[in-house]
Amino acid sequence: QKEVEQDPGPLSVPEGAIVSLNCTYSNSAFQYFMWYRQYSRKGPELLMYTYSSGNKEDGRFTAQVDKSSKYISLFIRDSQPSDSATYLCAMKEYGNKLVFGAGTILRVKS
Amino acid sequence: SQTIHQWPATLVQPVGSPLSLECTVEGTSNPNLYWYRQAAGRGLQLLFYSVGIGQISSEVPQNLSASRPQDRQFILSSKKLLLSDSGFYLCAWSISGPMGEQYFGPGTRLTVT
Repeated sequence: QKEVEQDPGPLSVPEGAIVSLNCTYSNSAFQYFMWYRQYSRKGPELLMYTYSSGNKEDGRFTAQVDKSSKYISLFIRDSQPSDSATYLCAMKEYGNKLVFGAGTILRVKS
Repeated sequence: SQTIHQWPATLVQPVGSPLSLECTVEGTSNPNLYWYRQAAGRGLQLLFYSVGIGQISSEVPQNLSASRPQDRQFILSSKKLLLSDSGFYLCAWSISGPMGEQYFGPGTRLTVT
């Protein structure tokens, strides 16, 4: 079993939809959780960084962490064609290296 | 603000040739530096990381090596490339310490022919 599981998609949604992207993990020691957006042929861009359980909001993006279920989510409101990209979740223990999910391809259709 | 540079952006090299990819970071001191490889349709594989000049940790046995000759410079090298070395190579940095989030460079796309 992989430490971090992420559905590769692709996930296709119409413009304006609410998008839900998810990752599950098996290591209960993970404390720091990140979401990256990667456009084709570009480096990943850090979108959200959260610590511990709860929600964090930044504009149209909301990151949610449920440590009891070992489950994290990224919600995108009012999705735009420019949101079409691969979304990578990543997480780490205190002092350790990042562990990445395989990424979910998102396509927002206008 | 901090900026991370990588070059070249793309590279096509024959099997058996040497490799040198360079990464530099601006706007920060004593960063942790990382080299990742991303194969097509796959996640990120950590290759090397460095917490200081001359300090390199290898994550995966392979024919690649890394060096950090200056505080904000990280180099990925190979003496003889293999077909399996093709991929998208990403450099990243984080602030020193146990909690820092990582920021990625633009990447180098390497094709070994």
